[in-house]
Amino acid sequence: DTEVTQTPKHLVMGMTNKKSLKCEQHMGHRAMYWYKQKAKKPPELMFVYSYEKLSINESVPSRFSPECPNSSLLNLHLHALQPEDSALYLCASRPQGQDPTGELFFGEGSRLTVL
Amino acid sequence: AQSVTQPDIHITVSEGASLELRCNYSYGATPYLFWYVQSPGQGLQLLLKYFSGDTLVQGIKGFEAEFKRSQSSFNLRKPSVHWSDAAEYFCAVGIQYGNKLVFGAGTILRVKS
Repeated sequence: DTEVTQTPKHLVMGMTNKKSLKCEQHMGHRAMYWYKQKAKKPPELMFVYSYEKLSINESVPSRFSPECPNSSLLNLHLHALQPEDSALYLCASRPQGQDPTGELFFGEGSRLTVL
Repeated sequence: AQSVTQPDIHITVSEGASLELRCNYSYGATPYLFWYVQSPGQGLQLLLKYFSGDTLVQGIKGFEAEFKRSQSSFNLRKPSVHWSDAAEYFCAVGIQYGNKLVFGAGTILRVKS
């Protein structure tokens, strides 16, 4: 199994809603990532979890709250989002977080629209 | 600061023609360089990577890239393009032990039949 699975594929939410994005991998990877990709832009790093601990937060607003309940699962909790937060949210994983040569495996993304 | 420049926003080539996508990076230390491809609405797939050794790197789908330190470049090439290669291509440099990929703006490849 070499997949990173993201659910839901599409999400529409209002600015007062609370929702979550889910990411799962069963490759035994111990580093997991959230990237955000706005339309016609490259992906930008949001968070990194290494061995289930948050290791990098790229100054992301607190309305985005990541969670890593176990080594296979990564969530992104969303609350009080703004329309400008509409984007493709990409999850990725790799074997471990300290190998600069290690490849990132990306999921297909969750496309979020905030109304 | 680390940065990646892809000078071509769009490139159109005929099916069967050769392809070269340009990438220049700015990074003080030994660069860890990657090329990813993204089809519309999809995630990213790694084509190839370079971190040491032979400066000509072979990847999947018939792609190769050449690292030139003197030019700070890592250009992607393919000798004969197929219609299925139409996608967006991102060059990236890995920093912070590879945890953060700094991407270029991307090059959209269109293939004419």
